[in-house]
Amino acid sequence: ILNVEQSPQSLHVQEGDSTNFTCSFPSSNFYALHWYRWETAKSPEALFVMTLNGDEKKKGRISATLNTKEGYSYLYIKGSQPEDSATYLCAFRPRSASKIIFGSGTRLSIRP
Amino acid sequence: DVKVTQSSRYLVKRTGEKVFLECVQDMDHENMFWYRQDPGLGLRLIYFSYDVKMKEKGDIPEGYSVSREKKERFSLILESASTNQTSMYLCASSLYSVQSNQPQHFGDGTRLSIL
Repeated sequence: ILNVEQSPQSLHVQEGDSTNFTCSFPSSNFYALHWYRWETAKSPEALFVMTLNGDEKKKGRISATLNTKEGYSYLYIKGSQPEDSATYLCAFRPRSASKIIFGSGTRLSIRP
Repeated sequence: DVKVTQSSRYLVKRTGEKVFLECVQDMDHENMFWYRQDPGLGLRLIYFSYDVKMKEKGDIPEGYSVSREKKERFSLILESASTNQTSMYLCASSLYSVQSNQPQHFGDGTRLSIL
């Protein structure tokens, strides 16, 4: 069984503060790691797809890092804004399968 | 812009009914997926398809079947709906890539209630 763990499960952050959360995945059999943002009443939206150890990707105030040797990825949000409130999902693609396995998500709420 | 359309946003059906959930994508993507999402759990894969008339079981295929007669359309079928199939259902599609670094594009979801 391939487990993808996300922590924390939920997070409340003051507007303007920076925050980060974690996705853990099996370090062996790695192929790719996806991050998605899922806002209420909308469809999940792809943020990043990462494949290389040490990779760092950025999209505006959001960035992500990848450590395939130890099996984790961090998502960072700098200067949180109300529109950042969403559930952030990571998904792991193992080498041995043609599907991705989702974590249960981190629900982020930004307090104005 | 990428578009994945699910036929219904909300659906209420009765136990024992045969239920069809339709998904259409307009990006000429090879891969299509059906997930369900339940509180406290991540998206769980029911079935996926990587080509017309091809299908593969995901992690929770029991009680479901699928149909992919055309590249743009992927249907999920609940053969005899049961209350434990009440859930949010999400369809997704992605472009085939040897490097497998293509993201998935999701529909808005169908919230299905089985009474």
